[in-house]
Amino acid sequence: DIQMTQSPSSVSASVGDRVTIACRASQGISSWLAWFQQKPGKAPKLLIYAASNLQPGVPSRFSGSGSGTDFTLTISSLQPEDFATYYCQQADSFPLTFGQGTKVEIK
Amino acid sequence: EVQLLESGGGLVQPGGSLRLSCAASGFMFSNYAMNWVRQAPGKGLEWVSVVSGSGGETVYADSVKGRFTVSRDNSENMVYLQMNSLRAEDTAVYFCAKARQGLTSPAASWGQGTLVTVSS
Repeated sequence: DIQMTQSPSSVSASVGDRVTIACRASQGISSWLAWFQQKPGKAPKLLIYAASNLQPGVPSRFSGSGSGTDFTLTISSLQPEDFATYYCQQADSFPLTFGQGTKVEIK
Repeated sequence: EVQLLESGGGLVQPGGSLRLSCAASGFMFSNYAMNWVRQAPGKGLEWVSVVSGSGGETVYADSVKGRFTVSRDNSENMVYLQMNSLRAEDTAVYFCAKARQGLTSPAASWGQGTLVTVSS
């Protein structure tokens, strides 16, 4: 199975800050990487697919990059509604696996 | 608008069975793979299973293989998860999720989830 490791596990940031979350795969997954946002008590929401493609309707302050084993989710200017937990997921092979999550908290 | 509505969750004893249902609307149901993803209380996301658009292909996580069965009824726009031999570690919110495109593609739309609690 492909293991996905996110860092950091949590980050404290202020509105307007630039936030970067890293995700590393235990083996190469080309660009088969997705990012999700989840707020408490809600279903996850797809933000980015194929490493860098913005899902329709997602604000352009979200961006993704990377290929192979190392990937990054960047929020260019953190907004109040962005405080949530973020997960990466590899879509290269079964079983599909998620990172452990990164909680973005208010500083 | 894509809508996914799960039902069938509840409290079940260890070793028992439960069948989850997911009613889909707002898209060409038979064109898309459908996933089940679960989340234990306070924990992260765990992919459980996927069924292809035709229903002819299914894949499972090792943690549920041999105990869970995913199926779909394209005439009714429904997807199901039959869960047998339930264990305490199966306790979670179970989400039904529509794949973005192919079988391994990420889930683009999610239901609100249904809680399954396995406890005596």
